[in-house]
Amino acid sequence: SQQGEEDPQALSIQEGENATMNCSYKTSINNLQWYRQNSGRGLVHLILIRSNEREKHSGRLRVTLDTSKKSSSLLITASRAADTASYFCATRQGGSEKLVFGKGTKLTVNP
Amino acid sequence: EAGVAQSPRYKIIEKRQSVAFWCNPISGHATLYWYQQILGQGPKLLIQFQNNGVVDDSQLPKDRFSAERLKGVDSTLKIQPAKLEDSAVYLCASSRPLREGNIQYFGAGTRLSVL
Repeated sequence: SQQGEEDPQALSIQEGENATMNCSYKTSINNLQWYRQNSGRGLVHLILIRSNEREKHSGRLRVTLDTSKKSSSLLITASRAADTASYFCATRQGGSEKLVFGKGTKLTVNP
Repeated sequence: EAGVAQSPRYKIIEKRQSVAFWCNPISGHATLYWYQQILGQGPKLLIQFQNNGVVDDSQLPKDRFSAERLKGVDSTLKIQPAKLEDSAVYLCASSRPLREGNIQYFGAGTRLSVL
């Protein structure tokens, strides 16, 4: 079963705009990670936020985590056509090494 | 450093046939994962190895799927016999769980079509 649920399922924006994707999960977590998947390729790790962190930045990426609401958001600022991809959140629970992935948000950035 | 290598990239078979996928993880990564990704969904873990031992195979359909990781390095995943619903991308990933919070590094995947 999948732990995370991304919202929206699909998002289409213009180049230069910001893109926000949300992830909700069900059980307590150790950390939450975001991955990107370009069409026909494997997943690439973007950013990790630990359960005791509330916000993290990496370049044009900003991730927030609200453990009380069991939710996270990924913000991509000043989007580019190259950001077109599917984005997945993945949660690591307790002492397990296992990651549980959501269904993903498909982002299209139009030039 | 070289990434996770998978082969073949594509495979088309008929139902009831057998198929095998190969994965070579990043050097030094003790943990190896096989995922199944059905179109439009996120990856679902099939099996996790720590060195050459199985850590989690709770979602592996053991009546038809098998996997091994001899010598704790590369791994093969086999399906025998294949069903139509096995059509998916099979992803291999590796990690160093005790470091980096278990960030996983993925191969490009094998796209399987069962006709």
